[in-house]
Amino acid sequence: DTAVSQTPKYLVTQMGNDKSIKCEQNLGHDTMYWYKQDSKKFLKIMFSYNNKELIINETVPNRFSPKSPDKAHLNLHINSLELGDSAVYFCASSHAGLAESYEQYFGPGTRLTVT
Amino acid sequence: GQNIDQPTEMTATEGAIVQINCTYQTSGFNGLFWYQQHAGEAPTFLSYNVLDGLEEKGRFSSFLSRSKGYSYLLLKELQMKDSASYLCAVRDENQAGTALIFGKGTTLSVSS
Repeated sequence: DTAVSQTPKYLVTQMGNDKSIKCEQNLGHDTMYWYKQDSKKFLKIMFSYNNKELIINETVPNRFSPKSPDKAHLNLHINSLELGDSAVYFCASSHAGLAESYEQYFGPGTRLTVT
Repeated sequence: GQNIDQPTEMTATEGAIVQINCTYQTSGFNGLFWYQQHAGEAPTFLSYNVLDGLEEKGRFSSFLSRSKGYSYLLLKELQMKDSASYLCAVRDENQAGTALIFGKGTTLSVSS
């Protein structure tokens, strides 16, 4: 049973296109995240979202938007793709709360290549 | 601001012990996590520290000193399969809510 799944695993597209990456978790978690891992393997938070609050990393361009149809899904939509968007995008989920050791579970990643 | 530093690369031999250090400066602190990431795969959780001291879990241990902004991950009885990137991450509610702020990772190569 896959805990956090993402589709597609690979995505190759041209500059200027709009694309979406889907994420689903079956862990019953309250909070989901999108991270970007660049070519130097640096993993950086883009968004965190639960049913009450969306926290956006201020460095994320507004071409990126998370969309959550329900608690188990958090999709990432990207408009007007640029070369610099090429990276691996990881979805993750966890229980809510700061006072506990709620580790995050990561999906397998989506490797996006913009040509 | 926030800053998490760890060595870029380390090498060790099978059976040895290796310590990966991490120093952090963040505006808030709600725990420090260590993750392991094999090439081409997702990060997987190794350990969590929120109070000072040592947490032991099998061959892996993690230490935290909040006053020094310092943590280390200790790997004992190294195996070839331990070759991976090790990511130090801080949960800083002032910066990112419950999300994690990662260091740039330490690539560990284990040789026979």
